[in-house]
Amino acid sequence: KNQVEQSPQSLIILEGKNCTLQCNYTVSPFSNLRWYKQDTGRGPVSLTIMTFSENTKSNGRYTATLDADTKQSSLHITASQLSDSASYICVVSESLNNDMRFGAGTRLTVKP
Amino acid sequence: ETGVTQTPRHLVMGMTNKKSLKCEQHLGHNAMYWYKQSAKKPLELMFVYNFKEQTENNSVPSRFSPECPNSSHLFLHLHTLQPEDSALYLCASSQEGGQAKQYFGPGTRLTVT
Repeated sequence: KNQVEQSPQSLIILEGKNCTLQCNYTVSPFSNLRWYKQDTGRGPVSLTIMTFSENTKSNGRYTATLDADTKQSSLHITASQLSDSASYICVVSESLNNDMRFGAGTRLTVKP
Repeated sequence: ETGVTQTPRHLVMGMTNKKSLKCEQHLGHNAMYWYKQSAKKPLELMFVYNFKEQTENNSVPSRFSPECPNSSHLFLHLHTLQPEDSALYLCASSQEGGQAKQYFGPGTRLTVT
């Protein structure tokens, strides 16, 4: 079982709507959690990074939250745009040996 | 763009061919990575180089052979691949190893026939 589980696997929303993507992890001991955006045909690009002491971080219309007690993170996208169509990947780093664990991603499609 | 380039962007090869993937970073970073991305699966870390030294090899079959001649360039030499090796191969770099933010290239879409 993967140590980083993302849900839903795919999501379709209408332009202008909000959505929330989930990331649950079992990685321990925890160091940090990143959300990446991967456009089709491109490599992932980092959106946010959160450490143990941070529970929310924003990057424009993207807001990530972290609950280190329940080992859950979410990525909230506000007022979605067509350009938000991409895969969103959650990556959790372990503090002992710096291993990074990748989720399988959520494929978001924003329709006009 | 991210400052990491990869060539070719697409590659189709037979199982008996030998080919190489190239990655170049223009960011002055000291660590470089190869990842394999298969459909609906998490990224799989294959190799890590830090200051040109290989620091990680995640049980990758010997038909994949990395080469890092300097901190800016990384190659992945391919030979006698299998159809299940078809995937997107991503290169990344970071200022240092460990958990530093990684910058990804656009990837090479490899198809093995």
